[in-house]
Amino acid sequence: GAVVSQHPSWVICKSGTSVKIECRSLDFQATTMFWYRQFPKQSLMLMATSNEGSKATYEQGVEKDKFLINHASLTLSTLTVTSAHPEDSSFYICSARDGLWDRGSPLHFGNGTRLTVT
Amino acid sequence: QQPVQSPQAVILREGEDAVINCSSSKALYSVHWYRQKHGEAPVFLMILLKGGEQKGHEKISASFNEKKQQSSLYLTASQLSYSGTYFCGTEEAGGTSYGKLTFGQGTILTVHP
Repeated sequence: GAVVSQHPSWVICKSGTSVKIECRSLDFQATTMFWYRQFPKQSLMLMATSNEGSKATYEQGVEKDKFLINHASLTLSTLTVTSAHPEDSSFYICSARDGLWDRGSPLHFGNGTRLTVT
Repeated sequence: QQPVQSPQAVILREGEDAVINCSSSKALYSVHWYRQKHGEAPVFLMILLKGGEQKGHEKISASFNEKKQQSSLYLTASQLSYSGTYFCGTEEAGGTSYGKLTFGQGTILTVHP
């Protein structure tokens, strides 16, 4: 159980275009999803917390107008990288918990999306 | 604030043991451990919720010293499949960080035959 599906697995786009990444919880409802970014050989850095039915909470230094998050249902959150630039190339991973604010449960990660901006 | 992991890298031969440490400057509610293979998403290993709690997963176990805000991951009789980058993730006690997981910089573990 507790499967998180992320799509696409990889995407190559041209500088200036927008890319949408989908994150779905397949067998549980996720009131909250977390979006992380990971540069090569670095740690996972939290970008934002996606809240179903309300605005996302962004971490310091993350541009909310550039990384648009929509959490329209209890099983789907999307991250749109707008006007992408080469420096946005990275591995984007979503995660969710099975349970409302349940700290006693693990984060389940999607398989990640490798974004390359040319 | 990001927890600090040590060592940064470990090289082992099959069958050897290793310890990876995770230390935070913040009061913690829990510590999570994950392993990530190259190009893949992190895979959950275990959570430690209480001070002094120890948990085991086959030959991998961990402890959590709540007072010192430290956790250690123990890998015994290592196998080739243990190779990967290990991350600890910490949840701070209370405050605005509720529910968030902050990851350490990772420890690269390489197991050779």
